[in-house]
This record gives sequence, structure tokens and C-alpha cells, in this order.
Amino acid sequence: EAQVTQNPRYLITVTGKKLTVTCSQNMNHEYMSWYRQDPGLGLRQIYYSMNVEVTDKGDVPEGYKVSRKEKRNFPLILESPSPNQTSLYFCASQRGVYNEQFFGPGTRLTVL
Amino acid sequence: QKEVEQDPGPLSVPEGAIVSLNCTYSNSAFQYFMWYRQYSRKGPELLMYTYSSGNKEDGRFTAQVDKSSKYISLFIRDSQPSDSATYLCAIGTNYGQNFVFGPGTRLSVLP
Repeated sequence: EAQVTQNPRYLITVTGKKLTVTCSQNMNHEYMSWYRQDPGLGLRQIYYSMNVEVTDKGDVPEGYKVSRKEKRNFPLILESPSPNQTSLYFCASQRGVYNEQFFGPGTRLTVL
Repeated sequence: QKEVEQDPGPLSVPEGAIVSLNCTYSNSAFQYFMWYRQYSRKGPELLMYTYSSGNKEDGRFTAQVDKSSKYISLFIRDSQPSDSATYLCAIGTNYGQNFVFGPGTRLSVLP
């Protein structure tokens, strides 16, 4: 089954404790993105990747890091999480820049 | 002014009603228009994708784009309780990879 998976689905952590949210897709897609979704603000792009070792900032990259060492994986790293990073996070992949995005199930992160 | 504006709702309609969902945008460079549906506790899934002015129909769903007014709509005919979800518009330019999403409209179809 074609899908995007994210782990963990739910995470509660404390300020300053480094964490990684994993994302994996099995569709051999070139493009992958990370979004955060907040009430009233919709989905905002954090980072995106056009291919292995090629990443670029989206609209809200501050406080986040990403890496793309393999085509299928695109982890999101929060080096020092803060409460304003409490949000619902989605990973997405797509075959080409103008193609449909396939979203993962989401990771709900709470930073205390 | 936000790049993409969308009435957040919630919008409640009886089963069988025609639903109209709308987005406005400010950047005339936007050329690609998508509607996503998001069920509670799930990721968004694509409903409709168009890149031209006019109407595009798919079953009970019709997407309408008016580039001159910078206005897009999604119509749902014969709405069903299973259509209850949040509907997000997403708009993109013909360069770059950054689609801008509206905040979403929450729809409830009551049986």
C-alpha cells in the first residue's frame, strides 16, 4: 500500500530536550515536505526537499532542522524544543513539484 | 492581508444540501489550485486539482476558479454525513514548490 508514515504519532516532551520525528514514504517520490498545522493558521510549510541531500526552507523554518540522506526518509529534528512548537505536524511526499501531495497521519507534539 | 483567506466555519448543513466552500487569494501569480479534505485525526487528502479558470467536475464535487476575481470555490452536491470534514484550499505558483494553504473550513453534514 502506498503510504507516508510518521513516528511517533503523539509526543509530550519538555523544553530543550532534543527530539526527532521520522517520516518515510514508499512511493519513490522525489519531493518531501514538513508542515505544521495550528488552529486558524492552516498548514504552514517548515522545510522541503527536492531530492537526496537537497533541502530548502519553507515559511516557518526557525527552530527546526531536516536531513535527506535517503530518498524514502525525511526526519524532522527539533534541537531545543520550545512551547511555541507545540503543534500538529505533517509530513508529505509528491512525485513532482506540481503533483498531488500525499500526507502522513500526523504527529501531535506537546512541549511543556 | 493573508495570501489565502478562507472562512473557518464551522458550517452545518442538512444531508442532501448543496455546500459551497470558498477561498480568496491575493497573489495573481498563483496558477495551481487544489482542494484537500481532512478528516479528524487524519492527514489531508486531495479532492480536486485544477490550473485553469472555469469549472472542473468529479462526481458530486465541482471546483470553480475565477482568476480575475482571485476566488476559488468547491461545491458539494447531495451532501452526505461522510462529507463532514475540514476542507482546505491550497494554491501554488508556477515556480517553486511552495503551496500556500488556507486555514480550512470545518463542515458538518447532519443526517
